[in-house]
Parts: sequence; structure tokens; C-alpha cells
Amino acid sequence: NAGVTQTPKFQVLKTGQSMTLQCAQDMNHEYMSWYRQDPGMGLRLIHYSVGAGITDQGEVPNGYNVSRSTTEDFPLRLLSAAPSQTSVYFCASSYSTGYTEAFFGQGTRLTVV
Amino acid sequence: KNQVEQSPQSLIILEGKNCTLQCNYTVSPFSNLRWYKQDTGRGPVSLTIMTFSENTKSNGRYTATLDADTKQSSLHITASQLSDSASYICVVSGDSGGGADGLTFGKGTHLIIQP
Repeated sequence: NAGVTQTPKFQVLKTGQSMTLQCAQDMNHEYMSWYRQDPGMGLRLIHYSVGAGITDQGEVPNGYNVSRSTTEDFPLRLLSAAPSQTSVYFCASSYSTGYTEAFFGQGTRLTVV
Repeated sequence: KNQVEQSPQSLIILEGKNCTLQCNYTVSPFSNLRWYKQDTGRGPVSLTIMTFSENTKSNGRYTATLDADTKQSSLHITASQLSDSASYICVVSGDSGGGADGLTFGKGTHLIIQP
């Protein structure tokens, strides 16, 4: 039972490079989301999706794009990496919003130099 | 602005001892409150989830309490083990009104269990 799988676990980018963080879940969850975790701060919502074909912005969406072509996958794209995007990124999924448990991936540690 | 404040920021206790972590929140409207455990280098894992009508909820040696009137919650860990060393994050769910999960995360309490 894989749950939420994120790849890669670690990544170093140069400023201006682009990349895609992968997220896949095998629990048939409708709701998926991306968060970033920075030292001394709580997790902050970047983008979320309530189902295939539907995405929306969270609290800190600038510099990131998402798409949701299938229920299982929710990739996060960095368009032109900046040092301010150095962070740990977590993908999460849940059956719905509200009183329902959210499952998190193991995270991707991204460093932009 | 919705906020979740946790205390203490960090805590060191001896193996076998009990401890209590605190969470105060100003999230409105309130839907539910969750406690997560995050091991170093891993994603958060759910411990408990409570609505306003639930005062206490247990998960093994972890017991969470909720006072929706004072907007306070606590997480009590009984007979601590070395594997309890982790960050404990309080998360409050409110109605964001826009489809998002409306989760507001605390900064976490970093707990270290010493042998």
C-alpha cells in the first residue's frame, strides 16, 4: 500500500532552471494539494485540486504551476527556479475536505543555487 | 487572519516520562483540529482529528484534548519512548469557502526524548 509517493526526494537546481516535482497517490482520493515547509514556519498551501481537471491557487502560488489530468497524479512545476523557492515540498491527498484524514508524501527537499 | 500557535517551541524529556504539548488557535469558522507527528526527513502523519463536539481522543499513548470555547488543544504523551522524538504539528481546519482544505498549520513543537 504505497499511499502518497513523491519523487525526487532531493534536488538541486540552478537559478532559472525549471523542473517538475512528481506526486502520485493510489487511494483514489479526489483532493490533492501541494505545500511548502520552511524553517520557522508552518506548512503553506501552494496549489490544490478537488478532482481531475480542476486546480486552484493556494496561499503562495507564484512561480508554480500544476495540472491534474488523472485522479492519481498531481505534478508541481517550477517555471524558473529562484533561491526563494528553496524549501521542502509536500504533496498531500485526502478523500475530500473537512473531517477527513490527509495523507502526506515523504517530501522533496529542493535547493536552488 | 487565521493563526495556530504552539508551545513550547522545543522540549527535551527523559524516556518514560510524560509530557503535554499546547496549541492555541484563532481560526474561524472552526471545522476540526488535527495533531500530526513529523519524523525528521519525513512527511507528517496523522495522530488524531477532532471536531468541536469531541473533548478527548486517544491514539495509543497519545491523547488529544480540545476546548472549543477557549480555542485550546493539548497533546499528552504517556510513557515516552525514543521513537516519540519528532515534531508535533497542530493543524486547524476552517471553512475556506473556496474549495481548499482550509488547513492552518502551527509551526510545531520539536520533542526530543533522551535515554
